[in-house]
Amino acid sequence: QKEVEQDPGPLSVPEGAIVSLNCTYSNSAFQYFMWYRQYSRKGPELLMYTYSSGNKEDGRFTAQVDKSSKYISLFIRDSQPSDSATYLCAMSGDSGGYQKVTFGIGTKLQVIP
Amino acid sequence: EPEVTQTPSHQVTQMGQEVILRCVPISNHLYFYWYRQILGQKVEFLVSFYNNEISEKSEIFDDQFSVERPDGSNFTLKIRSTKLEDSAMYFCASSEPGQKNTEAFFGQGTRLTVV
Repeated sequence: QKEVEQDPGPLSVPEGAIVSLNCTYSNSAFQYFMWYRQYSRKGPELLMYTYSSGNKEDGRFTAQVDKSSKYISLFIRDSQPSDSATYLCAMSGDSGGYQKVTFGIGTKLQVIP
Repeated sequence: EPEVTQTPSHQVTQMGQEVILRCVPISNHLYFYWYRQILGQKVEFLVSFYNNEISEKSEIFDDQFSVERPDGSNFTLKIRSTKLEDSAMYFCASSEPGQKNTEAFFGQGTRLTVV
């Protein structure tokens, strides 16, 4: 079983739709959960950062973590064409300060005007 | 807004040649990282660096790789004898010091092409 599993898509949605992106993981040591957005041939850009279980909201984005199920989600409300990108889930354990991040493969999202 | 900068954006090198990838982390950050992304594959951790020494490295980071912080601002990744399979995007990242993990900020990457 892969440490982090993520459906690569592509996922196509109409503008204004609610987008749901998900990852599962197998390593119980993961405590920090992140979502990055990556445009083609660019570096990952941090969107959301969550510690342990729970929800976190930032504008149109909501991140959810369910550690009991080893399942994390990112919801995008009122999706826009500018949201079209690859969304990478990422996670790390408690390394005592530094962060070795394990990434999913990324889900390619296309928001159609 | 502070950002991690990487140079060059694209490097083409002959197989067997040495290559140095350069990064300027965010100024108050003390943890530095290199990741790579082979085309179509996931971003993979290579190495983390703190207090002038390697904190952790992956199995990818073998004797052909080395990292250095030659001065107060630069952080470099050297590949001594490049192989075709080293062709990838290489991302530098940095994070703040702290007792708990803090988020890492990534640069735009250097595309390395080994021919």
